[in-house]
Amino acid sequence: DAGVTQSPTHLIKTRGQQVTLRCSPKSGHDTVSWYQQALGQGPQFIFQYYEEEERQRGNFPDRFSGHQFPNYSSELNVNALLLGDSALYLCASSLGQGLAGTDTQYFGPGTRLTVL
Amino acid sequence: DAKTTQPNSMESNEEEPVHLPCNHSTISGTDYIHWYRQLPSQGPEYVIHGLTSNVNNRMASLAIAEDRKSSTLILHRATLRDAAVYYCILRDVRGYKLSFGAGTTVTVRA
Repeated sequence: DAGVTQSPTHLIKTRGQQVTLRCSPKSGHDTVSWYQQALGQGPQFIFQYYEEEERQRGNFPDRFSGHQFPNYSSELNVNALLLGDSALYLCASSLGQGLAGTDTQYFGPGTRLTVL
Repeated sequence: DAKTTQPNSMESNEEEPVHLPCNHSTISGTDYIHWYRQLPSQGPEYVIHGLTSNVNNRMASLAIAEDRKSSTLILHRATLRDAAVYYCILRDVRGYKLSFGAGTTVTVRA
């Protein structure tokens, strides 16, 4: 079982550019969540995708958008990058069925984005 | 989201138990208590969760106060591999997200 995989591992961009991060969920999982973790802080929820639709969104601007594909993999897109977008971006997968408060989320190793 | 309060840091000796407290005085009846931990340079990993009763699994035990306003994560025999940031999180059954706070940084001395 490969677990949750993310690509790329590291990325350097300049202000104003756009970036796409990718995530493959754990085998058998149909739900993908994205989190942003700034240095020294806990992860912050961006959004969750289930059945190719955004099911819940955190307090992030529209510059952050996502997509889920029929094979359950997902992309996170960030437009008009700001210096403050520099962070570790984490993807987590889970099973979408069942009680929301009890599901376990499995995290990938993250993508380190640096905006210069 | 209901808020949790954890100490910033804790130290322990290897092979000794570690008791990590979490206060959540505004917890609602439908909130589950979850614990995740994040080892250095890794994504968070699930540790344990519970609603009202104490819970045990191969990683840890979760002791929940009778009024549910606090809980304690217990690592029975700390190893160097248990050095991590531990997050106590409340999750409502209607919510899909994990709301992480600053967590408790656990240091294990050899």
